[in-house]
Amino acid sequence: EAGVAQSPRYKIIEKRQSVAFWCNPISGHATLYWYQQILGQGPKLLIQFQNNGVVDDSQLPKDRFSAERLKGVDSTLKIQPAKLEDSAVYLCASSLVWGGGVQETQYFGPGTRLLVL
Amino acid sequence: AQSVAQPEDQVNVAEGNPLTVKCTYSVSGNPYLFWYVQYPNRGLQFLLKYITGDNLVKGSYGFEAEFNKSQTSFHLKKPSALVSDSALYFCAVRPAYSGAGSYQLTFGKGTKLSVIP
Repeated sequence: EAGVAQSPRYKIIEKRQSVAFWCNPISGHATLYWYQQILGQGPKLLIQFQNNGVVDDSQLPKDRFSAERLKGVDSTLKIQPAKLEDSAVYLCASSLVWGGGVQETQYFGPGTRLLVL
Repeated sequence: AQSVAQPEDQVNVAEGNPLTVKCTYSVSGNPYLFWYVQYPNRGLQFLLKYITGDNLVKGSYGFEAEFNKSQTSFHLKKPSALVSDSALYFCAVRPAYSGAGSYQLTFGKGTKLSVIP
């Protein structure tokens, strides 16, 4: 079974530039998550999709971050304009279902490491 | 708000010795608890989870964890450590039922495990 795919793996940009990350979840997984992991910290949820609808985006800085999952499969996360403090690893995860039960384990992709100069 | 504490930034253990990585949590109601492992430049890999039932949960690679409700703890254990177990370990919690709220997964800051040959 193929895992969660993410691209690019690394990205270096200057502050005030824009950047986009792509994620393809495990086939058949209805729920998709984007996390931000700053060095030395645990992942923090940015946004959660159930199919193509947003379930939770309470920690997404909406003035600069946006995300979409138009067809309920792959997803893009965009930052515009980027700030120095956005330097982090952006992790995508997916789960079969959402809301409870044994199927709701989240499986993570390799992440995109972003450096903002 | 829910939270996770991993009191040790780093744990060192000799190969062949038992290992313990500590985790305590705070959540409203019953918890769902997870352990993930992260190897350098890779995403998080699922190890095990507690949903309900037996307090001792067995997971991948010989790891196990014990749920202790009175102490609000979910320590990760392994009887005999391997050098290949050296990695970053994350504990995570979410509420089992959150009413109208989010089932957001909250991670600890991580514990770096070093197994010394």
